[in-house]
Amino acid sequence: EADIYQTPRYLVIGTGKKITLECSQTMGHDKMYWYQQDPGMELHLIHYSYGVNSTEKGDLSSESTVSRIRTEHFPLTLESARPSHTSQYLCASGQAGGSYNEQFFGPGTRLTVL
Amino acid sequence: QQQVKQSPQSLIVQKGGIPIINCAYENTAFDYFPWYQQFPGKGPALLIAIRPDVSEKKEGRFTISFNKSAKQFSLHIMDSQPGDSATYFCAASKGAQKLVFGQGTRLTINP
Repeated sequence: EADIYQTPRYLVIGTGKKITLECSQTMGHDKMYWYQQDPGMELHLIHYSYGVNSTEKGDLSSESTVSRIRTEHFPLTLESARPSHTSQYLCASGQAGGSYNEQFFGPGTRLTVL
Repeated sequence: QQQVKQSPQSLIVQKGGIPIINCAYENTAFDYFPWYQQFPGKGPALLIAIRPDVSEKKEGRFTISFNKSAKQFSLHIMDSQPGDSATYFCAASKGAQKLVFGQGTRLTINP
């Protein structure tokens, strides 16, 4: 079983608040990803990183930002939360190199912005 | 541009039946095709994956069938059980590039 953790699991917050969703993995993976997903719906890649100090925007435009200062940590920040940010946020990691792109997912953070 | 198209969107099967979920892709450079299983409130988990050099792969009750010429691959679940009820995602990637996911199929297995 993959060791990838997300906190908090659930967050209800008011409009305009700054929030940070935490993601950490203990597998030493170089690659990390953030996906946005409405429950049971399609996965949308919003950010990814292939290593420390490397971050890229994903396929879905997002007002969130990410940082990758340590290999094991990939936090996502929303400077000013809005109701349109209500969704589930999934973090994933994978090993760089090789010819496969297996990703291990965390349990997700369910964000509700009132 | 949707590079991986998944169908059906939802599927209901009786226990013991064989649900089949299909995916079609556009990029012929894709060389890795995984299936993920997601239960409510959980993150997706890798179920089974295939490379294009084989036409079929089995792991327990789960089988991937791959048709390179048609650019299609499918997931079959033998002897399906209520515990298999989940959302299933197909995906594809080229080498170590990021995965492209299908839209997901919500599968319900009735007792």
